[in-house]
Amino acid sequence: AQSVTQPDIHITVSEGASLELRCNYSYGATPYLFWYVQSPGQGLQLLLKYFSGDTLVQGIKGFEAEFKRSQSSFNLRKPSVHWSDAAEYFCAYTGGSNYKLTFGKGTLLTVNP
Amino acid sequence: DAGVTQSPTHLIKTRGQQVTLRCSPKSGHDTVSWYQQALGQGPQFIFQYYEEEERQRGNFPDRFSGHQFPNYSSELNVNALLLGDSALYLCASSEQGIYGYTFGSGTRLTVV
Repeated sequence: AQSVTQPDIHITVSEGASLELRCNYSYGATPYLFWYVQSPGQGLQLLLKYFSGDTLVQGIKGFEAEFKRSQSSFNLRKPSVHWSDAAEYFCAYTGGSNYKLTFGKGTLLTVNP
Repeated sequence: DAGVTQSPTHLIKTRGQQVTLRCSPKSGHDTVSWYQQALGQGPQFIFQYYEEEERQRGNFPDRFSGHQFPNYSSELNVNALLLGDSALYLCASSEQGIYGYTFGSGTRLTVV
């Protein structure tokens, strides 16, 4: 069964610092990978997605993610965090003809002033 | 262009009751998926509808059922509510063959 692991439950960074959120997925021949952000009580907003091609993908709000097949990872990065980035971040995966999205348990990001 | 619209935004039900949640997909999208997000957890896939048929189902009991209408909108029905059904229910729409999912803001269901 496909699975997604987000090893960090909670991360705290200072405003202006760099950020990296980790995501690992179970093996799949054709991984389709996503990062979503969720503010309290809200739905999910897509930050970026990877289907194929260039392994470094750019998203909205200055986020980027790098797909590393050898490590089964799809880590999310941002060079300088803003206070408004405080939220919960979810990595998600779907593979092949499997239509459902499988989500990780999320990483809660706190930003200190 | 409206995104995914869900109604109601909040509701409170009593154990044993039945509930219906509604979802209007983003314009141009023909596929609707439903997810349950318990507090502090990631969303869990309930099922997906395409061409008015349930195409795929997650690990949820038969108390959870759905429907898709000809205009692509969808309903999620939950019978015999349990306290454990309290969660945020998210609807996501997509276009057939395109791996891009747009989520609504969800319906917060509280079972008391």
